[in-house]
Amino acid sequence: DAGVIQSPRHEVTEMGQEVTLRCKPISGHNSLFWYRQTMMRGLELLIYFNNNVPIDDSGMPEDRFSAKMPNASFSTLKIQPSEPRDSAVYFCASSLIYEQYFGPGTRLTVT
Amino acid sequence: AQKITQTQPGMFVQEKEAVTLDCTYDTSDPSYGLFWYKQPSSGEMIFLIYQGSYDQQNATEGRYSLNFQKARKSANLVISASQLGDSAMYFCAINAGGTSYGKLTFGQGTILTVHP
Repeated sequence: DAGVIQSPRHEVTEMGQEVTLRCKPISGHNSLFWYRQTMMRGLELLIYFNNNVPIDDSGMPEDRFSAKMPNASFSTLKIQPSEPRDSAVYFCASSLIYEQYFGPGTRLTVT
Repeated sequence: AQKITQTQPGMFVQEKEAVTLDCTYDTSDPSYGLFWYKQPSSGEMIFLIYQGSYDQQNATEGRYSLNFQKARKSANLVISASQLGDSAMYFCAINAGGTSYGKLTFGQGTILTVHP
């Protein structure tokens, strides 16, 4: 069975550019989560969706970040404009009941 | 709000021995879940084990067991018969009920090194 799929795996961009991260959750899972991991702040939840509806976006750092889930099999996290402090690993995770299964992550570097 | 504290930044263990990774938590919700994840150097997050707050018995998954002491608010991970492949970062996490259900809060992690 395919796990959570994220693309791209690595992204290097210049400050000010738009970045779009993509996630395909495990089929049948009804919740999707976006996390960010940095050395300084550890793992932080940015936003999560249940049945494609955003439930809690209190972790989204600022208006430059936005997330969508147009259907049960796809979600995007967009950063516009990107800044060097956005450099991190971004994980997508999905769940059905309790445990969350994580994708491989996207390593974002903003120069 | 929920909080997880992992007080051991790093732990060392000899191959084939058991090791306990500490985790204490804080929540005001009566219903919550506790999780452990493994993050090897390759970066992926691997789900290991789950314990619900109302579960009467400690959770076990193969060589992993969760020592759940509710009164002490601790949820330590025990790895038996350590293997070299167990060397990784380990995260404890909690989710709670109510409107925050599903939202995982992670600790800072413990780096485990298994020596041959």
